[in-house]
Amino acid sequence: DQQVKQNSPSLSVQEGRISILNCDYTNSMFDYFLWYKKYPAEGPTFLISISSIKDKNEDGRFTVFLNKSAKHLSLHIVPSQPGDSAVYFCAASALGNQFYFGTGTSLTVIP
Amino acid sequence: DAGVTQSPTHLIKTRGQQVTLRCSPKSGHDTVSWYQQALGQGPQFIFQYYEEEERQRGNFPDRFSGHQFPNYSSELNVNALLLGDSALYLCASSLFRVREQYFGPGTRLTVT
Repeated sequence: DQQVKQNSPSLSVQEGRISILNCDYTNSMFDYFLWYKKYPAEGPTFLISISSIKDKNEDGRFTVFLNKSAKHLSLHIVPSQPGDSAVYFCAASALGNQFYFGTGTSLTVIP
Repeated sequence: DAGVTQSPTHLIKTRGQQVTLRCSPKSGHDTVSWYQQALGQGPQFIFQYYEEEERQRGNFPDRFSGHQFPNYSSELNVNALLLGDSALYLCASSLFRVREQYFGPGTRLTVT
């Protein structure tokens, strides 16, 4: 039972343009969401988080949007850089309990 | 400031054997969580340790067990290995009840 879904296995974007990575969830009790970036042979690196009391959180080039009614969140990267090429995972948890991860989206930023 | 470290990096075991994986948390962290990441999948939560006790557990059989030591480091033990246990095992550390987790590089386990 996949409670967090990333329906796009891969995404290619030109350098300088916007990358938009999407994530859907089914559990309405989820109240905290994270995005992680993962390079090959490394563990996931925390990128940005958002609580369900907000609908947007920004950190530099990275912005996460949360649409609770649609049970959807997205990560925007502007402008995209070649170093952003990695696998991106979204994760969600409810009330401090375990995190559920999506299957990841592989982003390629083309120079 | 040392991040999360895991050992060994790679491991090959035979079906039916037992394996122990090790994790040292990021300096200052007191909570360790273990995840299994199968090929093409996202990490799946196995369990979490705080104050040397298992605090939460995901949907994994009792063959998966763990331990946390007084210095906050942790071990993951898997008994009676199955081919399906082949995966990347990730350790993540955090402060208790703080949701941001920091991951180690993982241990790649291959069961033949």
